[in-house]
Amino acid sequence: AQSVTQLDSHVSVSEGTPVLLRCNYSSSYSPSLFWYVQHPNKGLQLLLKYTSAATLVKGINGFEAEFKKSETSFHLTKPSAHMSDAAEYFCVVSGAGSARQLTFGSGTQLTVLP
Amino acid sequence: EPEVTQTPSHQVTQMGQEVILRCVPISNHLYFYWYRQILGQKVEFLVSFYNNEISEKSEIFDDQFSVERPDGSNFTLKIRSTKLEDSAMYFCASGGLRGQGAQYFGPGTRLLVL
Repeated sequence: AQSVTQLDSHVSVSEGTPVLLRCNYSSSYSPSLFWYVQHPNKGLQLLLKYTSAATLVKGINGFEAEFKKSETSFHLTKPSAHMSDAAEYFCVVSGAGSARQLTFGSGTQLTVLP
Repeated sequence: EPEVTQTPSHQVTQMGQEVILRCVPISNHLYFYWYRQILGQKVEFLVSFYNNEISEKSEIFDDQFSVERPDGSNFTLKIRSTKLEDSAMYFCASGGLRGQGAQYFGPGTRLLVL
């Protein structure tokens, strides 16, 4: 079975400062990993995905994540936060079955202060 | 850009009633999924569907739930006799690639069972 742990339930940063959202995963095989974002009253939007190609993955809106197998981590970063980044972020791992069900972390609420 | 759509956006029903949640996946996708998110909890996998049959289902997906792809575009989730604990946001997702592809989510249907 696979699982993800998001280490912070809430992160607060000032606009223009770096963002770091932490995620550790557990998987018995080579995982596919994703970050999704959910803005208030909106659906889940795919930010980026890792599928065993390059370990540094670039996503939309300036976000990127680095897959570190030795640390079983997949942290999400952005160099400079924008007010519009305020949302809930989910680290997600894909299952091993043919249909690859997703297992979600508990989410990190990002607040961006002016 | 193609997207997953869901109807209705909100549904209020009485306990014991049947509800049908509808989804239109992205047109060239082959894998279809339902997830739910109870308020304040993680997003949970319910079921995956491929080639007109269920591929995987979770423990949550018991006999009161069913899925169907009645035509070439719609994908439905039926809850036969709703319970209070079925109140949640229900997300439909679709994916094009077997295995490592990402899943794309609809905006969700918020179901409230009274």
